[in-house]
Amino acid sequence: GQQLNQSPQSMFIQEGEDVSMNCTSSSIFNTWLWYKQEPGEGPVLLIALYKAGELTSNGRLTAQFGITRKDSFLNISASIPSDVGIYFCAGQLRETSGSRLTFGEGTQLTVNP
Amino acid sequence: ETGVTQSPTHLIKTRGQQVTLRCSSQSGHNTVSWYQQALGQGPQFIFQYYREEENGRGNFPPRFSGLQFPNYSSELNVNALELDDSALYLCASSRSGGLGYTFGSGTRLTVV
Repeated sequence: GQQLNQSPQSMFIQEGEDVSMNCTSSSIFNTWLWYKQEPGEGPVLLIALYKAGELTSNGRLTAQFGITRKDSFLNISASIPSDVGIYFCAGQLRETSGSRLTFGEGTQLTVNP
Repeated sequence: ETGVTQSPTHLIKTRGQQVTLRCSSQSGHNTVSWYQQALGQGPQFIFQYYREEENGRGNFPPRFSGLQFPNYSSELNVNALELDDSALYLCASSRSGGLGYTFGSGTRLTVV
């Protein structure tokens, strides 16, 4: 099935560092979503973006919806140990494909205290 | 409000068997979607149900089928299980329009 290209695949950082990850697609989306998944749990929504160019923050998290509608990035500032987990981007094109989400393959984040 | 609950949490089946997974949607949500997440990958869309009818399907064979009940809960059925069906199966509910998905914790299916 279709997947988004998400990078990097994994990151190992020190507590306090900033983190950046991004997602690209060959198709356009009208919604971009960023999720975090921890072991034994389902994905939890972090940020939703609904307009091209939109920049949205949620605490230490900031995400942007690319102007071309084919990409998005997520930044985490001043990382802490509880940021550990797998981060997924997901694109949605509501008009033609119902409300299905197309996910990236995830970025595994490890934060060393 | 209650979240999305899935049962069972873990399941082991033999190749060729059939399995039914269950999902109770979040209060106020009338749309349910199912996703398959293989180890180390992102979730893949299986299908979505709205008003008890299938409303979109991903690239999965017909042996993957589902139901939605009047109370918006849902079942995922998989027939003739194959080893590659081993995965985490996630249920997500939302209000109509697909905004604000809430995922359950999933059912871990192992096919041996």
